Amino acid sequence: AQKITQTQPGMFVQEKEAVTLDCTYDTSDPSYGLFWYKQPSSGEMIFLIYQGSYDQQNATEGRYSLNFQKARKSANLVISASQLGDSAMYFCAIRRRDDKIIFGKGTRLHILP
Amino acid sequence: SAVISQKPSRDICQRGTSLTIQCQVDSQVTMMFWYRQQPGQSLTLIATANQGSEATYESGFVIDKFPISRPNLTFSTLTVSNLSPEDSSIYLCSVDRPNYGYTFGSGTRLTVV
Repeated sequence: AQKITQTQPGMFVQEKEAVTLDCTYDTSDPSYGLFWYKQPSSGEMIFLIYQGSYDQQNATEGRYSLNFQKARKSANLVISASQLGDSAMYFCAIRRRDDKIIFGKGTRLHILP
Repeated sequence: SAVISQKPSRDICQRGTSLTIQCQVDSQVTMMFWYRQQPGQSLTLIATANQGSEATYESGFVIDKFPISRPNLTFSTLTVSNLSPEDSSIYLCSVDRPNYGYTFGSGTRLTVV
């Protein structure tokens, strides 16, 4: 069975600093996809970034990058130059073999001015 | 990208009653998914709504409590029946965008009193 582990329930980071949110996963599928979502206090789920298990390079989307270490089963999200608007819950997720997505417990990120 | 209109955005319901949540997608999709997010928790998949067939439910969720309709490829409803305070959650619908994970509706915040 697939499993996502996010070990940081909460983080406090100074504005403009870089942030790394940890995510480890467990799967027996040879092919899988990893995702990060942002959930602000409004409750909406915002897709941030995707990494396929066979992608050779780490995914990047603007200020977001995914540090993918396949052998360690790690898919950490890196946010560069953090902003106050980055304060939110962040969820790591993995696509199951039946194309459904399983979420980790999330990390609440607080950006301090 | 698919746009999902979900309503109501929030509701307060008496215990023992039911609430029906609607999701309308701006393009045809094969599968629509329904999630529950209990207060302070991550997202848990309730069921997958397939057009023309019965919904498939995840472990711990049953059709009598969460009946789902999928009359066409752009619309689905989730009913939460016989409400109790434990059903107070955010309910979200989503659709699958291959290689990009799910796009989510804005969510329905249900409070049962």
